[in-house]
Amino acid sequence: DAGVIQSPRHEVTEMGQEVTLRCKPISGHNSLFWYRQTMMRGLELLIYFNNNVPIDDSGMPEDRFSAKMPNASFSTLKIQPSEPRDSAVYFCASSLAEAPQPQHFGDGTRLSIL
Amino acid sequence: QKEVEQNSGPLSVPEGAIASLNCTYSDRGSQSFFWYRQYSGKSPELIMFIYSNGDKEDGRFTAQLNKASQYVSLLIRDSQPSDSATYLCAVNADSTLTFGKGTMLLVSP
Repeated sequence: DAGVIQSPRHEVTEMGQEVTLRCKPISGHNSLFWYRQTMMRGLELLIYFNNNVPIDDSGMPEDRFSAKMPNASFSTLKIQPSEPRDSAVYFCASSLAEAPQPQHFGDGTRLSIL
Repeated sequence: QKEVEQNSGPLSVPEGAIASLNCTYSDRGSQSFFWYRQYSGKSPELIMFIYSNGDKEDGRFTAQLNKASQYVSLLIRDSQPSDSATYLCAVNADSTLTFGKGTMLLVSP
């Protein structure tokens, strides 16, 4: 079975540019999570969706960050405008909503903002 | 605020020894507990989960949970160099997971 698929794997762009990260969850999973991982802060939850509806976006750092899930098989995380402090690895994960809810992670997008 | 604490390590053990990784959490309402392994440059990979007090064994791995002490641990028996990675503890109290910052394990041949 295909796991969580993220694209691109690596992104290098200049400050001020728009960045769009993409995620395809595991088929049948109805919860989707976006995380950011840095050495200093570890793995932080940015936002999660249940049945395509955003449930909690309290982890989104600023209005520059936005996320959408137009259907059950696709989600995007957008940063506009990007800043050097946004450089991190961004992971998407999916799970079933029912407990105990183990989450399965994609390979991540390594983002570098110059 | 929900907190999950882990010793950052590194925890160094010789090949064949038992590695013991520990985690404490702040939210008494937490219901499910997860251990993930993350190799350098890779994504977190689920090892096992536990939600009842006591021990749960899966091959060389044993998860131990003590809700009264708000403590969860992972034992790795017969440690191998391929077990060298960062181990993340995650705690679930609602529909989300709160992760610790991880413990780096180094298994020397």
